[in-house]
This record gives sequence, structure tokens and C-alpha cells, in this order.
Amino acid sequence: GAVVSQHPSRVICKSGTSVKIECRSLDFQATTMFWYRQFPKQSLMLMATSNEGSKATYEQGVEKDKFLINHASLTLSTLTVTSAHPEDSSFYICSGLHGNTIYFGEGSWLTVV
Amino acid sequence: AQKITQTQPGMFVQEKEAVTLDCTYDTSDQSYGLFWYKQPSSGEMIFLIYQGSYDEQNATEGRYSLNFQKARKSANLVISASQLGDSAMYFCAMRVPWDAGNMLTFGGGTRLMVKP
Repeated sequence: GAVVSQHPSRVICKSGTSVKIECRSLDFQATTMFWYRQFPKQSLMLMATSNEGSKATYEQGVEKDKFLINHASLTLSTLTVTSAHPEDSSFYICSGLHGNTIYFGEGSWLTVV
Repeated sequence: AQKITQTQPGMFVQEKEAVTLDCTYDTSDQSYGLFWYKQPSSGEMIFLIYQGSYDEQNATEGRYSLNFQKARKSANLVISASQLGDSAMYFCAMRVPWDAGNMLTFGGGTRLMVKP
């Protein structure tokens, strides 16, 4: 299958700072990438759809000014959590559409202290 | 709107036996894709198998097969000869290609535990 790489896999940041998570499609071009958030023992919650060269489409209830998404190239989308707070601590995972299938990155564990 | 239902929050299976994980879906669209993903404790989402709504044959990938019953709107995952490494969360998901955003809709997941 296609490969999506996400970095960093784990990050700890101080409250009030910003942190950037990168999502790269290594062997395919992803016009569309998706960002999900997952709370413990729950399913994945779609945060936003990232389209190359245009603004991301955010799901209802997701603060676009807090979760900045940039899809500057066909192989890279980034999620920046701005002014992070402890309640932003979560597992964030991205995915890219390749053909009929959606492939996921390894995910990023964010802890805000 | 699409909806995916996984009614089994947790399941046990004996090593080397087969297990079926249930998934039902609801959509008014005729064209859609069904997916199963495995999520081990590390968090990554591993793609297992895909079934298109127009595919006449049930999808198979190694020990994984998808029991697709379109009229009943079910897409159960069958894992044959379970292994200890199969212990993980399993998510059923659906994508409607023509829906805005092409996004996946996930079920609540089933935690599978393989007993030695």
C-alpha cells in the first residue's frame, strides 16, 4: 500500500506554545489529506480536510484559528496547534487519499503540560 | 449522511480460530467504499481491506476477508487463523466518493483480544 509518514510521533509542549505536526505522502501525490483527532478509547474524529493549494475545510466545532492546516504541496500537509492547552492533549493522525483507498500516517501523540 | 455501526465493543477469540467482526452501514448513495483498519496500541491505523459497492466478489487479503452483504448493508470482517498479533482495535469505515470532501466515516470500533 501507499505510505504516509507523520512527524513527530510524540511531542510534549508547554501550555501557550505552538506545535507543528507534519504529514507526508512518501510514494504518491495526495491532493487531499485528512486530519483526525482521537480521544482515548474512542473512534477517530475528523477535524478537517486539507486540499493542496486551497484553504482547509473544517468540521463543525473545530476552531480553525487554533488548528491551522497548511497543504502547501502535493506531498505535505501540516497541522499547527496554536497556543496549546492541556485539553488539546490527544492523538492526532493524518491520512491521504490514493486511488480508492485512504492511508494513514503513524499518528502523533501530543501532550501539553 | 453516512453512518457506520459496530455493535461489538470487545471480543475474545482463541488463537488459531476464526473470528467475525460485525459492521453495518447506512447510506442513500449507490456508490461507496467500505474499509477495515487495524489500530494496535501504538496508534497507527493499518489498512486491511477494501470493498467497493459495485464489487461483485467479496474482498480478500491474506487472512482477512470481507463478508459483503449489500442488501443487508453489512460488511463484516472475517479474520481466519487468529494470531496473538491480531489483538488490536478494529475500525470499519465508509467513504462516499461523491460526498463533499471524500472523507471516511468511522464506526466506534471493536477491540479484539486473541487468547493464547
